[in-house]
Amino acid sequence: GENVEQHPSTLSVQEGDSAVIKCTYSDSASNYFPWYKQELGKGPQLIIDIRSNVGEKKDQRIAVTLNKTAKHFSLHITETQPEDSAVYFCAARFKAAGNKLTFGGGTRVLVKP
Amino acid sequence: NAGVTQTPKFQVLKTGQSMTLQCAQDMNHEYMSWYRQDPGMGLRLIHYSVGAGITDQGEVPNGYNVSRSTTEDFPLRLLSAAPSQTSVYFCASNPTPQGTGELFFGEGSRLTVL
Repeated sequence: GENVEQHPSTLSVQEGDSAVIKCTYSDSASNYFPWYKQELGKGPQLIIDIRSNVGEKKDQRIAVTLNKTAKHFSLHITETQPEDSAVYFCAARFKAAGNKLTFGGGTRVLVKP
Repeated sequence: NAGVTQTPKFQVLKTGQSMTLQCAQDMNHEYMSWYRQDPGMGLRLIHYSVGAGITDQGEVPNGYNVSRSTTEDFPLRLLSAAPSQTSVYFCASNPTPQGTGELFFGEGSRLTVL
């Protein structure tokens, strides 16, 4: 079935360093890849997304890259700050699943001051 | 706008009890959905609705019922709770019937089944 694998499950970085989270997906027909951030006690919130006709997208300190051939996409956070500490989820929209989103298992990011 | 509102935030049930998790949105969104969040498993879709009067099953529907009598409300019912249903539940909505683009999540309902 449709699957999204996310790594690592936990990530600890020093404030000011970069953080990278990677996801792979199973359906080559997937066309939409969002990233959600979940702060403690809150619901997930969309932070950036990318569509299959684009290779990279940036928004200030965050960027997402997509490699359709390898079926993987990554979230990059530069100059990390304590407020970046959260759980991050990648997701992919699978046509075979009626265009519903399938989420990765999540990455807990801790930014140490 | 309050966005997506879920109640209750916390609930403890005994095995076999029934309850309803409430979800309401004030954004006039067509699409509404329920997810459960378990450690290491991300968010898994339970049920969804593309408009009032229309519901469908997601990835993990067993043990749950839903209805959509109005655009605003999408309650999730557990008819006979089981310990395997211990989880954090999230309701999410989207402006389009297809649910494409950004999902707007509520703050979650933490359910413990003893």
